[in-house]
Amino acid sequence: DVKVTQSSRYLVKRTGEKVFLECVQDMDHENMFWYRQDPGLGLRLIYFSYDVKMKEKGDIPEGYSVSREKKERFSLILESASTNQTSMYLCASRRGDPPGNTIYFGEGSWLTVV
Amino acid sequence: KQEVTQIPAALSVPEGENLVLNCSFTDSAIYNLQWFRQDPGKGLTSLLLIQSSQREQTSGRLNASLDKSSGRSTLYIAASQPGDSATYLCAVRNSGGYQKVTFGTGTKLQVIP
Repeated sequence: DVKVTQSSRYLVKRTGEKVFLECVQDMDHENMFWYRQDPGLGLRLIYFSYDVKMKEKGDIPEGYSVSREKKERFSLILESASTNQTSMYLCASRRGDPPGNTIYFGEGSWLTVV
Repeated sequence: KQEVTQIPAALSVPEGENLVLNCSFTDSAIYNLQWFRQDPGKGLTSLLLIQSSQREQTSGRLNASLDKSSGRSTLYIAASQPGDSATYLCAVRNSGGYQKVTFGTGTKLQVIP
């Protein structure tokens, strides 16, 4: 079974702190994603990586950056955390080809910024 | 821009009932559509994926259909059980570009014993 592991399930950070959310997948998937999920807004794509060192902005990249130095690991970075970044963050991965592949999600990371 | 809508937002049914969840999308240029289940505070679990060339997929008590031309998909759950209580989301993968996936906001299902 595919496993997508998010290292932190619950985090509490202070405004202005730099925050790292880590995600690792064990199935050699090319594509990896970071979403945030908020009540009433659904899942919104923050960043997408289609291969090592490659990234694309999603719908809401402002205030975030990402790093993908190794194929299995995709990190989301909040350079200076703000209270409006309090949310559930979900990492996902998918094989790049063929295009009909399933997306697999991690368990999510609950981030509270105080 | 692709928009995905799920109606109703919440649904409550007695145990044993058959039910249908709806998903509609505005752009028919898709690669596939995927249905997920999400339990409270957890990640998303894939239930079924339908390719754009397919009409339906089945897994156990679940059957998902796709009508690309009308921009609709349904998830049919037979003989519902309390363990089916969760939020169900559909996600559409667009063709072209980097093949963005757009999610609906989900239908929260409660199956009453």
